[in-house]
Amino acid sequence: SQTIHQWPATLVQPVGSPLSLECTVEGTSNPNLYWYRQAAGRGLQLLFYSVGIGQISSEVPQNLSASRPQDRQFILSSKKLLLSDSGFYLCAWKGWSEAGLTGELFFGEGSRLTVL
Amino acid sequence: RKEVEQDPGPFNVPEGATVAFNCTYSNSASQSFFWYRQDCRKEPKLLMSVYSSGNEDGRFTAQLNRASQYISLLIRDSKLSDSATYLCVGNTGGYNKLIFGAGTRLAVHP
Repeated sequence: SQTIHQWPATLVQPVGSPLSLECTVEGTSNPNLYWYRQAAGRGLQLLFYSVGIGQISSEVPQNLSASRPQDRQFILSSKKLLLSDSGFYLCAWKGWSEAGLTGELFFGEGSRLTVL
Repeated sequence: RKEVEQDPGPFNVPEGATVAFNCTYSNSASQSFFWYRQDCRKEPKLLMSVYSSGNEDGRFTAQLNRASQYISLLIRDSKLSDSATYLCVGNTGGYNKLIFGAGTRLAVHP
């Protein structure tokens, strides 16, 4: 069966410090991978998605970046964090479905970032 | 207009009640929709897929109305454990782009 892991689970970082969140998926090959952010009391905002190694689609302008160095690894980074980067970051992979339809997302347990 | 919109609630209902949530979407070309449940400070978990006209799973029924561009979630015989935020999701941004609504909060009380 497929599993998804992301870490760290919780982190507190000062403004201006770098960030690296990592996500790996097991039990599937060439998955579509996603990073979402959820600010406190808000909905999920799509940040990046990737359909393959080295292929990244960015959804919102920001000081974050994403990379996919391996088939089942997705990394979210920042060189300098802002206060507004605080939130709950969720990695997800997209399941398979019938032709023409979009599969469901399955989420990791999330990484809660507080920028001070 | 937001791509996916939901009434934020909260919906406060007694145990045993029937409650319904609606979610509207802006892109008529969207094909795939889902309902997720999210507990406080946890990741969202898939509740139901809504690929065609509707789907039923026990106490939960989801329906899709393409003409009016909305999906609904009906919960019958509410349980205390149903208290959570319910997120509507659609591929309104394209095949690979799954966009979430802001969520509807449900509180079931004794």
